[in-house]
Amino acid sequence: GESVGLHLPTLSVQEGDNSIINCAYSNSASDYFIWYKQESGKGPQFIIDIRSNMDKRQGQRVTVLLNKTVKHLSLQIAATQPGDSAVYFCAFEGGTSYGKLTFGQGTILTVHP
Amino acid sequence: EAQVTQNPRYLITVTGKKLTVTCSQNMNHEYMSWYRQDPGLGLRQIYYSMNVEVTDKGDVPEGYKVSRKEKRNFPLILESPSPNQTSLYFCASSLEGLSGNTIYFGEGSWLTVV
Repeated sequence: GESVGLHLPTLSVQEGDNSIINCAYSNSASDYFIWYKQESGKGPQFIIDIRSNMDKRQGQRVTVLLNKTVKHLSLQIAATQPGDSAVYFCAFEGGTSYGKLTFGQGTILTVHP
Repeated sequence: EAQVTQNPRYLITVTGKKLTVTCSQNMNHEYMSWYRQDPGLGLRQIYYSMNVEVTDKGDVPEGYKVSRKEKRNFPLILESPSPNQTSLYFCASSLEGLSGNTIYFGEGSWLTVV
């Protein structure tokens, strides 16, 4: 979720399993949501996005689900691979402040061969 | 090659000595933004710019200045750096704003203020 803390949530899975990473947000006016992947020593890399008028969007091996009722966003990664190991961030654009992007704290995904 | 370039990548400086971290993109993007990343806090937006001569504060603008005199460059200025500005800084750009536009990030600038 977005709670501030020193320890990131972690998710450990076996290669080939499906992974689900969750994110909670607080601003009900948010209308655009993005998932990023950040590998060690690199900048965040865009994975998939979704607008608030949708509740599901699929990409290659990834699916984003948006539940506006409970202000929850999730990223599903199918057939997780070791190369998917990284920190995953959700981010959202505020409803009245276009251009202002807020990130969640991140989740560490570790994929074991 | 389309890219966002930050300089310097690594810098150790002393408290109070003004410094500038440059950011340049070669994609003719209108939107540019700066973030800082600290352990356990994720990325926090410092400033953003929707277009030339238009800049707005993000969530943590205190102690920073920016300018957007031309489309390709968006420098981050620390007039009087302090140790709490020690962080990893990222510049990013996109074609037009955020919604529906892929945001490209630079490789980051590690800044240490002693």
